[in-house]
Amino acid sequence: GAGVSQSPSNKVTEKGKDVELRCDPISGHTALYWYRQSLGQGLEFLIYFQGNSAPDKSGLPSDRFSAERTGGSVSTLTIQRTQQEDSAVYLCASSSMVQGNSPLHFGNGTRLTVT
Amino acid sequence: QKEVEQNSGPLSVPEGAIASLNCTYSDRGSQSFFWYRQYSGKSPELIMFIYSNGDKEDGRFTAQLNKASQYVSLLIRDSQPSDSATYLCAGGTGGGNKLTFGTGTQLKVEL
Repeated sequence: GAGVSQSPSNKVTEKGKDVELRCDPISGHTALYWYRQSLGQGLEFLIYFQGNSAPDKSGLPSDRFSAERTGGSVSTLTIQRTQQEDSAVYLCASSSMVQGNSPLHFGNGTRLTVT
Repeated sequence: QKEVEQNSGPLSVPEGAIASLNCTYSDRGSQSFFWYRQYSGKSPELIMFIYSNGDKEDGRFTAQLNKASQYVSLLIRDSQPSDSATYLCAGGTGGGNKLTFGTGTQLKVEL
């Protein structure tokens, strides 16, 4: 398929461990977003990549969170020393950003559970 | 002040009625607006987008934009139980700036 692909779909980890979440955007999409969504809550913006510009990291909740986007394509969100409050669904989305704002296309998310 | 605001609901409407979902935004530079539907446990999916003042219709859905009042709405005609979901409004200023989402309105269509 040509949609946004996220892996793993589910991740259970012990408190204090590091985790890496992967996002493969739609080919050719220059904009990539990471969001977090806790049960019954809205989308919490984490980080935004647009082309070769410096990423907007204003939503990262602490310095335990970081993200990279290599070659303008695949992105990895890393959470170090995970805490129970990090448990949530992590959603990745991409858009073409040809002009102005284009619609975001979301992946199916990674459900992270920290025990 | 939140940049994009929505009433969290739940908004309950009877089957067959018109559901009206509203969204206000604070940034007058916002140019593009999007409505997403999110079923419980699923990812958001795009319903409609609107860039110009006025109405835009697609099937049972109509998006309305009033830039002077900084107001966006989504009307769902002939509401069905399958329309029960959370509806997210998002706005963007373009120029490489990110979209901003509201917290969503939960819609319940009752039999």
